[in-house]
Amino acid sequence: SYELTQPPSVSVSPGQTASITCSGHNLGDKYVCWFQHRPGQSPVLVIYQDDRRPSGIPERFSGSSSGDTATLTISGTQALDEADYYCQTWDSTTGVFGGGTKLTVL
Amino acid sequence: QVTLRESGPALVKPTHTVTLTCAFAGFSLTTEGMSVSWIRQPPGKALEWLARIDWDDDKKYSPFLRARLAISKDTSKMEVALTMTNVNPVDTGTYYCVRTHRKSLGNWLFDYWGQGILVTVSS
Repeated sequence: SYELTQPPSVSVSPGQTASITCSGHNLGDKYVCWFQHRPGQSPVLVIYQDDRRPSGIPERFSGSSSGDTATLTISGTQALDEADYYCQTWDSTTGVFGGGTKLTVL
Repeated sequence: QVTLRESGPALVKPTHTVTLTCAFAGFSLTTEGMSVSWIRQPPGKALEWLARIDWDDDKKYSPFLRARLAISKDTSKMEVALTMTNVNPVDTGTYYCVRTHRKSLGNWLFDYWGQGILVTVSS
C-alpha cells in the first residue's frame, strides 16, 4: 500500500517561515493536498493540486511538489497557524493521508 | 452553502454493527464529479480515509477495511450512510463526512467537512 511520511513535529518562531515535508514514492506524479487541523475543529483544505490555494486561504500558505517530496510552506507564520497539518493524495482510487505534523509556533 | 452533518450512536459495543448517517445540503450527489467520503481519526492518531461514493453510485473502499464497510446514498433524502460491521475498540474515533469534488482525472478534493461525530466502541 502507498505511504506518505511526514515529520511528527516542526517548530517555528512567529514571523518566520515554516516548511513541512511529505514524502512518498514518485509523489510528484500525483496530486497532493494539505489540510490544517486545529484541536476541536474539522480539518480545512489549505492547498490542493500541489500548489493551489482555495479561496479564503491566506497567501502565506504555499505548496510545491517534485520527485518524492511535497512541501507546505507557511511564510510569516502566525500564532493562529499552530495546528496539525496533513498531506494527502490518491493512490489510484484509494485516499491516503500522511501521519500528520504538529506545527508549534513559539 | 455547503453543509454536512454526521449522526449516529455515540457508543457501540464490540462485535456490533454501526451505521452512521451524513445529511448534506448545498450540492447534489447527482451532479457529475460530486462524491461523499467518510474519513476518521482515532484519538491522538492521524486521519484515515475509509470510503467514497460517487454521483454515479460507484463505491471505493479502504483496502484495509473493505470487508467491514458499506457505503450507500439516498439522493432524494440527501443522505449518505456508512455501515461498519464487527466493530472493536480500535474503531473508536471521530468520523467525518466530507464532500469530495473531482477537479480532474485522478484529482479529488476533500473540500467541505462535517463537524464530525465521536464514536466510542466499548462494552
